[in-house]
Amino acid sequence: DAGVTQSPTHLIKTRGQQVTLRCSPKSGHDTVSWYQQALGQGPQFIFQYYEEEERQRGNFPDRFSGHQFPNYSSELNVNALLLGDSALYLCASSYLGELFFGEGSRLTVL
Amino acid sequence: DAKTTQPTSMDCAEGRAANLPCNHSTISGNEYVYWYRQIHSQGPQYIIHGLKNNETNEMASLIITEDRKSSTLILPHATLRDTAVYYCIVRVATYNQGGKLIFGQGTELSVKP
Repeated sequence: DAGVTQSPTHLIKTRGQQVTLRCSPKSGHDTVSWYQQALGQGPQFIFQYYEEEERQRGNFPDRFSGHQFPNYSSELNVNALLLGDSALYLCASSYLGELFFGEGSRLTVL
Repeated sequence: DAKTTQPTSMDCAEGRAANLPCNHSTISGNEYVYWYRQIHSQGPQYIIHGLKNNETNEMASLIITEDRKSSTLILPHATLRDTAVYYCIVRVATYNQGGKLIFGQGTELSVKP
C-alpha cells in the first residue's frame, strides 16, 4: 500500500512565476491537507480539502490555492512567487484519524 | 487549539530510554495529545496519541498526567535512527478538524552512540 506521494520532489522557480504541486493520498483517505515548512521551523497549515472543497484555511494569502479531484488527489498552486515562498511543502492525508504525511516538495524561489 | 511547550533540544545515549516532556496547561477536555516526529528532510511521522489514559504502541509510550496539563513521550530503547525533531500537538480529534495540526518548534532529540 503506497503512502502519500508528492511530486515533484524538488523544483526551482523565479520570482513572479507560478507553481503547481501534486499529492496522491494514502489509499482509502479522503481528506488532504497542505503545509508549508520553512527552514528550521515547524510545518504551518495552509488548507484542507474534503469532498473537493476547501474546508479549513490557515493564515496564507490568496496566492495560495488548491484543488481536490474526485479520486481525492490534490494540487497546491502558488501564484506570483516570492523569495519567502521557498520552503518544503508537505501534503498529508487522513480518514477519521491521524494524518499521514508525504516526503514533501522542496521549492526554491530565486 | 491549546499551545504546547517543549524543550528545544535533548540528548540521549543509544539503548537508553528517551523521555520527552511536553506542557499543555491550557488543554481542553476534548483535546487529545498527539506526537509526531520528523527525521531530517522527511515528512512528519505519526507516533502516538492519547486523551487521558496512558498509551503504548510498537514505537513509544505516552504518559499523560492526571490533570492532563503535561505529558511525556517515552522511547524505551533509543537508537541512532530515533534522532529527529519531536512535536507535541494538542487538538480536538473531530472529523472536521482532521487536517489541521498546529506545530510548534518541537524538541530536537539527538541519540548518541
